[in-house]
Amino acid sequence: DSGVTQTPKHLITATGQRVTLRCSPRSGDLSVYWYQQSLDQGLQFLIQYYNGEERAKGNILERFSAQQFPDLHSELNLSSLELGDSALYFCASNKGQNYGYTFGSGTRLTVV
Amino acid sequence: AQSVTQLGSHVSVSEGALVLLRCNYSSSVPPYLFWYVQYPNQGLQLLLKYTTGATLVKGINGFEAEFKKSETSFHLTKPSAHMSDAAEYFCAVSSNFGNEKLTFGTGTRLTIIP
Repeated sequence: DSGVTQTPKHLITATGQRVTLRCSPRSGDLSVYWYQQSLDQGLQFLIQYYNGEERAKGNILERFSAQQFPDLHSELNLSSLELGDSALYFCASNKGQNYGYTFGSGTRLTVV
Repeated sequence: AQSVTQLGSHVSVSEGALVLLRCNYSSSVPPYLFWYVQYPNQGLQLLLKYTTGATLVKGINGFEAEFKKSETSFHLTKPSAHMSDAAEYFCAVSSNFGNEKLTFGTGTRLTIIP
């Protein structure tokens, strides 16, 4: 157990639907990073939050959004889902500068 | 912008043989470099990292990597492969350790031949 908890582990949903993925960072970690891992795109950075504020954005689609709550857990919202959104979604957390990153075990999203 | 190139999407080695996984990076600033391992249906586990200081970095499970600035490389090695090393390996780079995203390579799947 890495200390980063992602729920659910698996999610199957239909095209056009909306889902929410949850990430609880390690205790004391202020930063949360979201990544998407797919066969064709590899591991792509989506977005980073630090202590509730958005810090950096990567290749995140407009249909996707995220937030980090006061208790530091984060949610990634994916809407108007398409078949191509099927992927493994990881979150990672850390305390900030000069601290390593710890990854969760991911949420596998299958869009049918 | 930073990038990582991993040469060889699939590498097969015999049990007991040397493991060499190649990683070259591109960065306009001094890089921070990482190797992660991913076992089937699991998350990413840190093998080792280079931040500053000694260029030969030792990690877990007998792996090590050497940062070579002149070659912009950070190849991962292990003297003797074990069956349990079969997994996917990712090289990653960051320009600001702990304060910025990781940029990953496309990964190398390592197969160990008994």
